[in-house]
Amino acid sequence: SQQGEEDPQALSIQEGENATMNCSYKTSINNLQWYRQNSGRGLVHLILIRSNEREKHSGRLRVTLDTSKKSSSLLITASRAADTASYFCATDKGGGNKLTFGTGTQLKVEL
Amino acid sequence: EADIYQTPRYLVIGTGKKITLECSQTMGHDKMYWYQQDPGMELHLIHYSYGVNSTEKGDLSSESTVSRIRTEHFPLTLESARPSHTSQYLCASSEWGGRANYGYTFGSGTRLTVV
Repeated sequence: SQQGEEDPQALSIQEGENATMNCSYKTSINNLQWYRQNSGRGLVHLILIRSNEREKHSGRLRVTLDTSKKSSSLLITASRAADTASYFCATDKGGGNKLTFGTGTQLKVEL
Repeated sequence: EADIYQTPRYLVIGTGKKITLECSQTMGHDKMYWYQQDPGMELHLIHYSYGVNSTEKGDLSSESTVSRIRTEHFPLTLESARPSHTSQYLCASSEWGGRANYGYTFGSGTRLTVV
C-alpha cells in the first residue's frame, strides 16, 4: 500500500485564501518532499524537509513535519489561481533516495 | 525548465506492438527512475537505476524493461503492448548523495494508450 496518504483528496478555495494539505505516512523516513503537478504534466519539486526538522519555509510555502505522528502539512498562503494543481507528498525511507508518493490533493483556486 | 526530456509526449499504439519510451537528462545525475501514474493520480515506482549498467525493479511489478548504457539515457521498453499498459509514464532523475537537496527532476511524461 502507499506509504503516503493525503487529505483532503480535493480542495477548492478562493484566491487570496490559504490552502492546507496534509500527508500521513507509515514508516520511519529520512526526509519528506512535496511536489506539484499541473494537469497531467511532470511533477515539480517544491520543498524537502528532513526528519530532524520540524518546519521549513519557501516563499509562500510552509511545511511542517511531525515524526511522532508520522504526518506533514503543506500550507500555501495567499493562494493564486496559478496555484491550481495537484500536490503530492513523497517519503524517502533512506538507503538510496527512492521516493514513495502519496495519493495527491487536487487544489483548485478560483478567482 | 527541467533538463530531462521524454519522448514521445503522446503515443497511441496497437496491441502486440513493441514500444520504447525515451528519457534523457543533461544534468549528469546518476540516479534515474520510471514511475507509472494511473488515472487516480497515484504514482508507482516501476524501475530505477543508480548509474550506468545498474537497473532495479521498483515496487510495482511491470512487464516493461529498462537499460542504462549511458548516464544521460534511461529508455523503457515494452516488448508487446497490451491495453492494461495504458497509463502515464514519468521519468525522473536525482543527484547521488552528499548534497542537501535530493529532490527529483521530472520529465513531462509520456501518455501511452494501447488499443
